[in-house]
Amino acid sequence: GAGVSQSPSNKVTEKGKDVELRCDPISGHTALYWYRQSLGQGLEFLIYFQGNSAPDKSGLPSDRFSAERTGGSVSTLTIQRTQQEDSAVYLCASSTGYNEQFFGPGTRLTVL
Amino acid sequence: GENVEQHPSTLSVQEGDSAVIKCTYSDSASNYFPWYKQELGKRPQLIIDIRSNVGEKKDQRIAVTLNKTAKHFSLHITETQPEDSAVYFCAAQMGWGSARQLTFGSGTQLTVLP
Repeated sequence: GAGVSQSPSNKVTEKGKDVELRCDPISGHTALYWYRQSLGQGLEFLIYFQGNSAPDKSGLPSDRFSAERTGGSVSTLTIQRTQQEDSAVYLCASSTGYNEQFFGPGTRLTVL
Repeated sequence: GENVEQHPSTLSVQEGDSAVIKCTYSDSASNYFPWYKQELGKRPQLIIDIRSNVGEKKDQRIAVTLNKTAKHFSLHITETQPEDSAVYFCAAQMGWGSARQLTFGSGTQLTVLP
């Protein structure tokens, strides 16, 4: 079946602009996660959604970052007033809960 | 919160030799420990995982060991092949029965020399 998909695959933006990154999880997966991977670094947790529960936002680095998940499926990560330090690959993952997390291909964000 | 440390950051081995990557974690509540392989420009993919009620798990050339007392776990790759070259990440997760985020190590760049 289809895996996790993300769009766009690449996004170049100017400092100060807002960006939206989209994630389509595997159908039926109740949990959805966002991570950030800076160049040559590990994965940094940002936020996760589990079913209808309130999301865990404890990893968001600032209030410029927000995310929503509509209808328990698609999720959008929004970064407002982007800064150069926001440049990274943003990875989405989904799972059935307490099981393997399947990752999407990521969105490479470059802030000029 | 949880902190995961991973060593070494780079590892070069000759084809056919074994490779070992080690991770330590800080929170004794962690009970799920996956290992992901990430090839250049690709998404991370799970290669093996272990839960805290098991001390060792093996899948063909790959094995993972877990020492809960010492709070460390290791990835062992035997008979390495050039296609094993990639970045490997360990991770730890807390909680039973519901979703939790993974805390990742900083990664190990494994190079298998032909």
